[in-house]
Amino acid sequence: GAGVSQSPRYKVAKRGQDVALRCDPISGHVSLFWYQQALGQGPEFLTYFQNEAQLDKSGLPSDRFFAERPEGSVSTLKIQRTQQEDSAVYLCASSSRVGNTGELFFGEGSRLTVL
Amino acid sequence: GENVEQHPSTLSVQEGDSAVIKCTYSDSASNYFPWYKQELGKRPQLIIDIRSNVGEKKDQRIAVTLNKTAKHFSLHITETQPEDSAVYFCAAIEDTGNQFYFGTGTSLTVIP
Repeated sequence: GAGVSQSPRYKVAKRGQDVALRCDPISGHVSLFWYQQALGQGPEFLTYFQNEAQLDKSGLPSDRFFAERPEGSVSTLKIQRTQQEDSAVYLCASSSRVGNTGELFFGEGSRLTVL
Repeated sequence: GENVEQHPSTLSVQEGDSAVIKCTYSDSASNYFPWYKQELGKRPQLIIDIRSNVGEKKDQRIAVTLNKTAKHFSLHITETQPEDSAVYFCAAIEDTGNQFYFGTGTSLTVIP
């Protein structure tokens, strides 16, 4: 596709449910990032993949958060036993360059609401 | 890690006036400073960036200035138009790392 695609765009979960958010980056992009954006805040880093390798997961807020990119393309962010504080927009971004040396191309985000 | 502060959080200007948004950063190793624009319900998009080896960069109606000594950088939009209305985020990056550190955003409203 022409840009970064994320699904679902909106997800409502009951507290305690597991959710999975999908990111389809721009084809050929080496780098993939996940960010969490709370209402009225800037994006906050969660994790970074270079191809299939997860090189940085220092931003994941707890061990309930897990991300993978098994074939170096599509990535999934999984949140187990969701809590209300997990409510946010989850943004995926990809870049053709390694690390943070290039322009980030963002998806439109997945808005998660935990009731 | 890096701490980026952004001001103001909201800004209203009349169409045709200029808008200035300011950011400060804490890590002197940061050397790349992009600005992203996020329209309501849309994805953030890069509008301009600057690297630490230059002090100013312009692209039509937008410009960014960088003061490395004071560790602050600013976005300037001249001759504002209603389509400039959006949330603007600054970021600071040390390019051997993996993280973009974003500011908290400025909601700009251009009044026709």
